[in-house]
Amino acid sequence: DIQMTQSPSSLSASVGDRVTITCRASQDISNYLAWFQQKPGKVPKTLIYAASRLQGGVPSKFSGSGSGTDFTLIINSLQPEDFATYYCQQYYIYPLTFGGGTKVDIK
Amino acid sequence: QLQLQGSGPGLVKPSETLSLTCSVSGASISSGPYYWGWIRQPPGKGLEWIGSMYYSGSTSYSPSLKSRVTISADTSKNQFSLKLSSVTAADTAVYYCARITGGSYPGWTDYWGRGTLVTVSS
Repeated sequence: DIQMTQSPSSLSASVGDRVTITCRASQDISNYLAWFQQKPGKVPKTLIYAASRLQGGVPSKFSGSGSGTDFTLIINSLQPEDFATYYCQQYYIYPLTFGGGTKVDIK
Repeated sequence: QLQLQGSGPGLVKPSETLSLTCSVSGASISSGPYYWGWIRQPPGKGLEWIGSMYYSGSTSYSPSLKSRVTISADTSKNQFSLKLSSVTAADTAVYYCARITGGSYPGWTDYWGRGTLVTVSS
């Protein structure tokens, strides 16, 4: 199985901050990576697929980059509604695997 | 607008079979290039992929669950289902049904159902 490692596991940030979350795959997954946002008690929301493509309706403050084994999710100008847990997931091969999540909370 | 609605018992006894159904509206589960799948999340923990079924009917399952999982479709009702046998407390989780957009590759989840909390307890 491909292991997905996210860092940090949690971070504290202030409104207006720029936040960077990284995701590392245990082997080359090309650009077959998605990012999800999940708020407490809510359904995950798809933010990005193909490492850098925004899902429809997702604001451009979210951006993704990377290829191969190293990927980044950037959130610009953090707003109160962005405080959530973020997950990466590879879909290069089965089994599909998720990172452990990065919880972004208010400083 | 695509909508997925999961349903099923919220309480299952240990050693029994968990059965959930996902009703899909706004798209046909027989149309490609989509997979229809299940993802679960134990309380306070991360996401775990259970399995996916391609629109053609072929399936892929998590190796850790493969011996206990079956995903199937009822195209006449535009529904797909999950069966997980011999459940234990470790199977307690919120179960999400999802549409996965793919094709020659496994695909990414683009639509999520609301989620069904299933508790395994006697």
